[in-house]
Amino acid sequence: AQRVTQPEKLLSVFKGAPVELKCNYSYSGSPELFWYVQYSRQRLQLLLRHISRESIKGFTADLNKGETSFHLKKPFAQEEDSAMYYCALREYGNKLVFGAGTILRVKS
Amino acid sequence: EAQVTQNPRYLITVTGKKLTVTCSQNMNHEYMSWYRQDPGLGLRQIYYSMNVEVTDKGDVPEGYKVSRKEKRNFPLILESPSPNQTSLYFCASSNLAGRSTDTQYFGPGTRLTVL
Repeated sequence: AQRVTQPEKLLSVFKGAPVELKCNYSYSGSPELFWYVQYSRQRLQLLLRHISRESIKGFTADLNKGETSFHLKKPFAQEEDSAMYYCALREYGNKLVFGAGTILRVKS
Repeated sequence: EAQVTQNPRYLITVTGKKLTVTCSQNMNHEYMSWYRQDPGLGLRQIYYSMNVEVTDKGDVPEGYKVSRKEKRNFPLILESPSPNQTSLYFCASSNLAGRSTDTQYFGPGTRLTVL
C-alpha cells in the first residue's frame, strides 16, 4: 500500500529561523506529491505540488526520488506560517493519501 | 465564488440516530470525496464519486453511505452513528480524475460528536 510518513507531529521554531517539514513516501509508480496547509479555523488548501516546481509563500519542496522524500522548506519562518501541514500523494484517479500531518508553530 | 460547502458545521448527536452531512460544490466538478480527519492519522478517504450515480469505497467506508444523484451534491449518511465516528469530516471536489493539474478543493469541515 502507498504510504506517506510525516515523522514530526510538532515542529516549533523561532521567527526568522529556517523550517523543514519532512515527508517520506512509498509508491510503486511515478509519484505525484502535494503539500496542503490548514490554518487555524480554516479549510484545507493546496500549498504546492511537486509537478509545478513553484514557490508559494516562500515555501519550496523538491521531490527526491532516490530518498523518496518531499520535504517542505522555507528559509525564514514567519508567525503567519503557523498551521497544520499535510503531505499527500496522489494514488489512482484523484485519490489522495495523506500523511498524519505536522503542526508548525512559529514563535516570536 | 467557487467553493465547497458543508452543513452542518458542528453536530452533536447520540448513538444510533441517523444523520446526514451535506456537501455541495458550484464548480461543476465530476469528482467528489469524503475524508475524516483524526489526530495522528491525518485524513483518510471514506467514499468517493467519479460522477453522478458512480460511487465507490475509500479506505474507511464502514458505517457510512453516500449518494450522488446530482453532480453538485454528495451527502454523507451515517445510518447508525457510533462514538468511533466522532471526527472532523471534510468534503472535497475536483475536475476529472487523473489530470495532474487537478486541484482538490476542500469544504470547511464538519465536526461531529457522537455520544
